[in-house]
Amino acid sequence: IQLTQSPSSLSASVGDRVTITCRASQGISSYLAWYQQKPGKAPKLLIYAASTLQSGVSSRFSGSGSGTDFTLTISSLQPEDFATYYCQQLNNFPRTFGGGTKVGIQ
Amino acid sequence: EVRLVESGGGLIQPGGSLRLSCAASGFNVSSNYMNWVRQAPGKGLDWVSVIFSGGTTLYADSVKGRFTISRDNSKNTLYLQMNSLRAEDTAVYYCAREKAIISGVVPFWGQGTLVTVSS
Repeated sequence: IQLTQSPSSLSASVGDRVTITCRASQGISSYLAWYQQKPGKAPKLLIYAASTLQSGVSSRFSGSGSGTDFTLTISSLQPEDFATYYCQQLNNFPRTFGGGTKVGIQ
Repeated sequence: EVRLVESGGGLIQPGGSLRLSCAASGFNVSSNYMNWVRQAPGKGLDWVSVIFSGGTTLYADSVKGRFTISRDNSKNTLYLQMNSLRAEDTAVYYCAREKAIISGVVPFWGQGTLVTVSS
């Protein structure tokens, strides 16, 4: 299953609403996770089961979608949110990841 | 508290072998899907291998025949034996647990260990 993330990069300002999309090449129900990764660090789980917020993660992050189309939204971008974001499908093996979206400072 | 700690990475020459370990605490590796995922420098995330609770294993095509995933239930530890290493195997290797819940799967990752294949 191929995951296509878009955009591959974006520039935004603090306080902006940011939306990242992930499209699967075939239906994966709600078996999708979103991660945030900062340089030199392991990916941090933000969302699992497409829309469930991981414990301890800020409520400004939200996920939606099912089937083939998914969205990660950051409601009000904060300085600590500048990072790279990945989606992962957990419906089939081999597990696959989106290519990543780098969120930079405008 | 759930914890995964990888070790065993380092600098190795092409053609060499290395064994990575992932020590788990707070849960039993034998009761979960356990994966290895890698990330080459400056690149995205690539799934490498999984061992299911029943012991069945799967591998990415890029490592099939060279890497072997295993676990020691008595030590609650996951392993990745890597043979015939190539420069393109250079990456940070993460172990990742998958916990099945009613609404889906909850992943949990360790902090990773760096493998550098170079002469």
